[in-house]
Amino acid sequence: DQQVKQNSPSLSVQEGRISILNCDYTNSMFDYFLWYKKYPAEGPTFLISISSIKDKNEDGRFTVFLNKSAKHLSLHIVPSQPGDSAVYFCAASAGTSYDKVIFGPGTSLSVIP
Amino acid sequence: KAGVTQTPRYLIKTRGQQVTLSCSPISGHRSVSWYQQTPGQGLQFLFEYFSETQRNKGNFPGRFSGRQFSNSRSEMNVSTLELGDSALYLCASRLADSYNEQFFGPGTRLTVL
Repeated sequence: DQQVKQNSPSLSVQEGRISILNCDYTNSMFDYFLWYKKYPAEGPTFLISISSIKDKNEDGRFTVFLNKSAKHLSLHIVPSQPGDSAVYFCAASAGTSYDKVIFGPGTSLSVIP
Repeated sequence: KAGVTQTPRYLIKTRGQQVTLSCSPISGHRSVSWYQQTPGQGLQFLFEYFSETQRNKGNFPGRFSGRQFSNSRSEMNVSTLELGDSALYLCASRLADSYNEQFFGPGTRLTVL
């Protein structure tokens, strides 16, 4: 039973448009959420995070929104660029120990020039 | 500063064999974690080592083991390989107990025939 779900395995977006990647979780104890980006043949790199005490966190073109009541978070990329084409992993944590971080299966984003 | 390195990058083994993967963390990082990535499953936490001691362990069978040396380099061993062990094995290192400071290596792609 997956505690962190990314129901869209892939997403295609035109360059310059908004990319919205969605993530749902089932464990109400999760209190910290992260997004990682992964290019082929490279390891994941940390992108942005959000604590459960917030509902929005912004870093440049990347914004993460958290809806605790719906157990849903989303990553918005505006504007999308071809270099954003990668696999995006959503992750959630209940506690401060890293073994408590649960990753979703990932969404492959393709930004079309 | 050099990133996390993993060797070998690719490996092909047959069922029943055993394999050892190596990870060299970023200089100064004392924590090393290992993950298994399979299609549709995201990253599954294997274990974390800190100062040569296993600090946390995920839900994997005893065939998966690891160790860390005094220079913080880590090895992961899988014995009696099964077809289902085919995956990308990622190593990550970090300096402090902070999620966004975890850096991943490029991974070792293990194929079990």
